[in-house]
Amino acid sequence: DIQMTQSPSSLSASVGDRVTITCRASQGISNSLAWYQQKPGKVPKLLIYAASTLQSGVPSRFSGSGSGTDFTLTISSLQPEDVATYYCQKYYGFPLTFGQGTKVEI
Amino acid sequence: EVQLVESGGALVQPGGSLRLSCAASGFIFSNHAMSWVRQAPGKGLEWVSYFASSTTNIIYYADSVKGRFTISRDNTDNSLFLQMNSLRAEDTAVYYCARVKFGSYSFDYWGQGTLVTVSS
Repeated sequence: DIQMTQSPSSLSASVGDRVTITCRASQGISNSLAWYQQKPGKVPKLLIYAASTLQSGVPSRFSGSGSGTDFTLTISSLQPEDVATYYCQKYYGFPLTFGQGTKVEI
Repeated sequence: EVQLVESGGALVQPGGSLRLSCAASGFIFSNHAMSWVRQAPGKGLEWVSYFASSTTNIIYYADSVKGRFTISRDNTDNSLFLQMNSLRAEDTAVYYCARVKFGSYSFDYWGQGTLVTVSS
């Protein structure tokens, strides 16, 4: 099975900072990758699919890039409401697999 | 408005069974694949099972639940189910019903989740 590894596992940044989270697949997955945001006590929310396509309604400060095995989620200017845990998910075949999560704090 | 409402979570003893339900509304249920995703307390997300749309009865399970869990759906009642047998302590989690987004196997809508606790 393809494993997904996120880094870092947690980070602390200041409001307005540019934040980058990395997700690495153990094998190539083309662009079959999604990113989710889960705020404390809340349900996961789809941010990005197909590695770089922004889900409707998601602020443009979020962006995704990458293909093959290496992917990044970037928050161009961190806002207080972005405090959350972020997960990548690969969907290149089954099983569907999530990364272990990256906790973002301010 | 898309809504997914799970029910059926409870405290159950190891080895016991439970059936989760997910009531869907606000979209054409039969056109969408659906999945169950779980999250153990304080842990990350784990995909559990997938049921394709009504055009293809394709089903997948995570290895961790294969042979113990059964996913099903009732397109006339807009409902998704998860029959869980031989439950173990490690099955303790919030179980989310999630809609699979057209054109990908990502999840664009999630229910609020239902808590399953396996403990004696």
